[in-house]
Amino acid sequence: NAGVTQTPKFRVLKTGQSMTLLCAQDMNHEYMYWYRQDPGMGLRLIHYSVGEGTTAKGEVPDGYNVSRLKKQNFLLGLESAAPSQTSVYFCASRTPGRGDTQYFGPGTRLTVL
Amino acid sequence: KQEVTQIPAALSVPEGENLVLNCSFTDSAIYNLQWFRQDPGKGLTSLLLIQSSQREQTSGRLNASLDKSSGRSTLYIAASQPGDSATYLCAALRDMRFGAGTRLTVKP
Repeated sequence: NAGVTQTPKFRVLKTGQSMTLLCAQDMNHEYMYWYRQDPGMGLRLIHYSVGEGTTAKGEVPDGYNVSRLKKQNFLLGLESAAPSQTSVYFCASRTPGRGDTQYFGPGTRLTVL
Repeated sequence: KQEVTQIPAALSVPEGENLVLNCSFTDSAIYNLQWFRQDPGKGLTSLLLIQSSQREQTSGRLNASLDKSSGRSTLYIAASQPGDSATYLCAALRDMRFGAGTRLTVKP
């Protein structure tokens, strides 16, 4: 099993450009999450999904959109990138219950110039 | 709104020392609490998950405890090794709130 994978690993954008980050998991998890990690601030939840076709806002959703058309994929979109969105983005998945462990992808390092 | 705090932000210890990392949270309705390890430039690796009905979990040299009434969790690392050097983060899983982490350095 590949676990949680993220594409791309690195990206540099200019202000105003758009892009989509892809997260894929092969563990049949119901829940998927997008986080951003900034120095000294830990991880902050952007958006999440509790199942195929559902999405919800997290702590810092502004400037981002998401879609979950297939259970195994969760896409994060930046419509008009801003320098404040320079960060490392992590995707995670889990199925709530007694196991309930959250599994993380390796991250995408995004720089917006 | 749940707030998760980890103190200290950084810790340096000599090899072989036992140590405790602290995690505090403001809302006791946390559901479950999870401890992670993050190596530089890498993703997060799960270490231990404590369900809300549990008091502690153990895995090898690691022991995590949970006291919801006081809003605290601790991660105990026994006989620390240089390979334990990493950033350790805790997360309250109901709100998916993370602490900023404690950066641990174990010196040979």
